[in-house]
Amino acid sequence: EADIYQTPRYLVIGTGKKITLECSQTMGHDKMYWYQQDPGMELHLIHYSYGVNSTEKGDLSSESTVSRIRTEHFPLTLESARPSHTSQYLCASSEPGNEKLFFGSGTQLSVL
Amino acid sequence: QKEVEQDPGPLSVPEGAIVSLNCTYSNSAFQYFMWYRQYSRKGPELLMYTYSSGNKEDGRFTAQVDKSSKYISLFIRDSQPSDSATYLCAMTYSSASKIIFGSGTRLSIRP
Repeated sequence: EADIYQTPRYLVIGTGKKITLECSQTMGHDKMYWYQQDPGMELHLIHYSYGVNSTEKGDLSSESTVSRIRTEHFPLTLESARPSHTSQYLCASSEPGNEKLFFGSGTQLSVL
Repeated sequence: QKEVEQDPGPLSVPEGAIVSLNCTYSNSAFQYFMWYRQYSRKGPELLMYTYSSGNKEDGRFTAQVDKSSKYISLFIRDSQPSDSATYLCAMTYSSASKIIFGSGTRLSIRP
């Protein structure tokens, strides 16, 4: 079944640790995105990619980095986690020329 | 001022009621309008998609866009407890442009 997967679902980690949030999609979509969502707030775009070897920063300033070596895989990395990074991180994908986003279930990150 | 304003709720209504959820926006260039439903601890899922002005109906859900007033609505008829979720409006200029999301309205349907 075509879908978009995020792991881990929940992550509690100490300050200063390096973490990678995984996102994979089996829909063959070229466009992929990372959003950050805090309770009661808008989704904020932090990174996006229009295809392999293409990555761009979004609107929200973020200390994270992304890579897109394979179409189906779009991991997000934080080199040194801080409490201010505590949030829900949502991965999404879409077809070219299409505004409809398909989201994963999210990773709830807590940095102590 | 935010580009998209959405009443955060929470909104609580009895089962079977008609629900109206709304968003206003400031940029007249928006052409594509969407409603996403987000259950607790899940990612948003696309519920309704509308291009330009007009109405679109899908089962118990109706999306309305009034570009002259910069106002969009989502109506839910015969609401069910399973409709309890956060509803996010979203809009964009084109397929190549950034999608702007509202902050979401939390809806609770009482059995």
